Amino acid sequence: SQQGEEDPQALSIQEGENATMNCSYKTSINNLQWYRQNSGRGLVHLILIRSNEREKHSGRLRVTLDTSKKSSSLLITASRAADTASYFCATDAGTASKLTFGTGTRLQVTL
Amino acid sequence: GAVVSQHPSRVICKSGTSVKIECRSLDFQATTMFWYRQFPKQSLMLMATSNEGSKATYEQGVEKDKFLINHASLTLSTLTVTSAHPEDSSFYICSARDTLLETQYFGPGTRLLVL
Repeated sequence: SQQGEEDPQALSIQEGENATMNCSYKTSINNLQWYRQNSGRGLVHLILIRSNEREKHSGRLRVTLDTSKKSSSLLITASRAADTASYFCATDAGTASKLTFGTGTRLQVTL
Repeated sequence: GAVVSQHPSRVICKSGTSVKIECRSLDFQATTMFWYRQFPKQSLMLMATSNEGSKATYEQGVEKDKFLINHASLTLSTLTVTSAHPEDSSFYICSARDTLLETQYFGPGTRLLVL
């Protein structure tokens, strides 16, 4: 399987803390994207980082990409209860624009 | 951001019947749409790539005669689960690719339960 791995599988933190999720993948990529999924819902696109970029910010989100290690991380700062969701990384290897999803991290933010 | 809709959001059917799921891109044209399947607490698995005006491209292990895909216009793709069985019960999600932004926008998903 070409599916990427994410860790941790599950993460529980308190509101205000930072949450870090990691993603590893197996093939060369054009870009890597992070998505969020609330329980039983579709996916919401969070951020895209290209293979020639090393870091990207969007609001409380910070994404890093290390192509030599084939890994990426998503940092959510000052987490809120509303951030509770599953987070998936997805890689675009340029093959017909298909995305390959990681296994996901379930984040629980408690008050 | 762009909006993709799916219909129905939930469907319950008897074993042996066929179920059609629609995926629409509401504010952009999508030459390429994708169909995914997701089991509980698992990741999304790509089933097929739907190309406007041509045949769909199926991933390995996905039966094309079982999961019929039609992409007749730039805003609509349909997935028909033929002769559905209980093992086809799953969450089906479509996405539409915005070529300019290199991102995929996902529909809200369709939960299929086959009795």
